[in-house]
Amino acid sequence: QKEVEQNSGPLSVPEGAIASLNCTYSDRGSQSFFWYRQYSGKSPELIMSIYSNGDKEDGRFTAQLNKASQYVSLLIRDSQPSDSATYLCAVTANTGFQKLVFGTGTRLLVSP
Amino acid sequence: GAVVSQHPSRVICKSGTSVKIECRSLDFQATTMFWYRQFPKQSLMLMATSNEGSKATYEQGVEKDKFLINHASLTLSTLTVTSAHPEDSSFYICSVRTTNQPQHFGDGTRLSIL
Repeated sequence: QKEVEQNSGPLSVPEGAIASLNCTYSDRGSQSFFWYRQYSGKSPELIMSIYSNGDKEDGRFTAQLNKASQYVSLLIRDSQPSDSATYLCAVTANTGFQKLVFGTGTRLLVSP
Repeated sequence: GAVVSQHPSRVICKSGTSVKIECRSLDFQATTMFWYRQFPKQSLMLMATSNEGSKATYEQGVEKDKFLINHASLTLSTLTVTSAHPEDSSFYICSVRTTNQPQHFGDGTRLSIL
């Protein structure tokens, strides 16, 4: 079982729709959870961080965390073509150095 | 503005060459930096954790004698790929961790070994 799992996609949504990206993780001791956006050929860019159960909203983005289910999601409202990218879920390993473990990413395609 | 500066952005060189990649923390004193590698259509894989003033901690399967890491100051870590071969061609990315903050990534270095 992979430590962090994501559906590779592509997830295709029309412009203006809500895109829902999901991620599960195996380490129950994980404390911090992140969503990064990566455009092709570029390095990851932090979109959201979430540390406690529930929802966290930032503009068009909402991160949801359920530690009991070991599940974290990212909702993108009013999706734009510029949101088309690969979204990486990352979880802090339960170690002293705060290593990040990445999922393989979900490719999102927003069509005009 | 950028938090992490990584240089060079792209390297093309012959097999057997050693290549040095620099990662600078611009706004923070970073006691810990991370080096990742990403092959096409794959996710980021942590190679090593770079600790200022001490030896790097390498992940399983990463050859420490091939991927030399030096973290001599609180703002600079370097990764040297020694005697690079075509299979080392990849996208190398560093990140900086600051206390209680998410990791910030450099722009990455695309390494192509001919």
